[in-house]
Amino acid sequence: NAGVTQTPKFRILKIGQSMTLQCTQDMNHNYMYWYRQDPGMGLKLIYYSVGAGITDKGEVPNGYNVSRSTTEDFPLRLELAAPSQTSVYFCASSYNSLSGNTIYFGEGSWLTVV
Amino acid sequence: DAKTTQPPSMDCAEGRAANLPCNHSTISGNEYVYWYRQIHSQGPQYIIHGLKNNETNEMASLIITEDRKSSTLILPHATLRDTAVYYCIVRVAGNAGNMLTFGGGTRLMVKP
Repeated sequence: NAGVTQTPKFRILKIGQSMTLQCTQDMNHNYMYWYRQDPGMGLKLIYYSVGAGITDKGEVPNGYNVSRSTTEDFPLRLELAAPSQTSVYFCASSYNSLSGNTIYFGEGSWLTVV
Repeated sequence: DAKTTQPPSMDCAEGRAANLPCNHSTISGNEYVYWYRQIHSQGPQYIIHGLKNNETNEMASLIITEDRKSSTLILPHATLRDTAVYYCIVRVAGNAGNMLTFGGGTRLMVKP
């Protein structure tokens, strides 16, 4: 059971370039999330999805786009990369239940914009 | 979701119990208390959660006060591998959009 898998693990982008961070989960979770974590800081929610075809903005969505065409996949698109987007990105998923929903995280993608 | 307050850092001797406090005085009746930890450079890891009863699993115990305004995460026999940042979060079950931030957490240093 792989859990939440993110690729790539490391990437260097030039200012103005675009890229997609891939995320897939094999737990049949309906909820998926993208977070970013700047050095020494907590996690901030970028976008989330409560099911295929449904996405919504989190706290820091500017500069990013997402799509959710399948239950398993939730890619994060960076358009026109900026140095402020240098961060560690975590994808996560959870199964919604009335007794609480534990969130499972991927191992992170380190992005540097130069 | 209710806000939480945690001490920024704590030390614990290896083999001793680590007791990590969390204050959530504005918690509402349908909000759960969750604990996660993040070991350096890794994705956050779920530890435990509870609503009002004390909970225990293979990793830790969660003690929630009767008024639910605070809680304590207990690692019964801390090891060096438990050195991490521990996050206390309160949120409504099923409320995906309100998992906004993990805040600063408590940096636990387990020392030999």
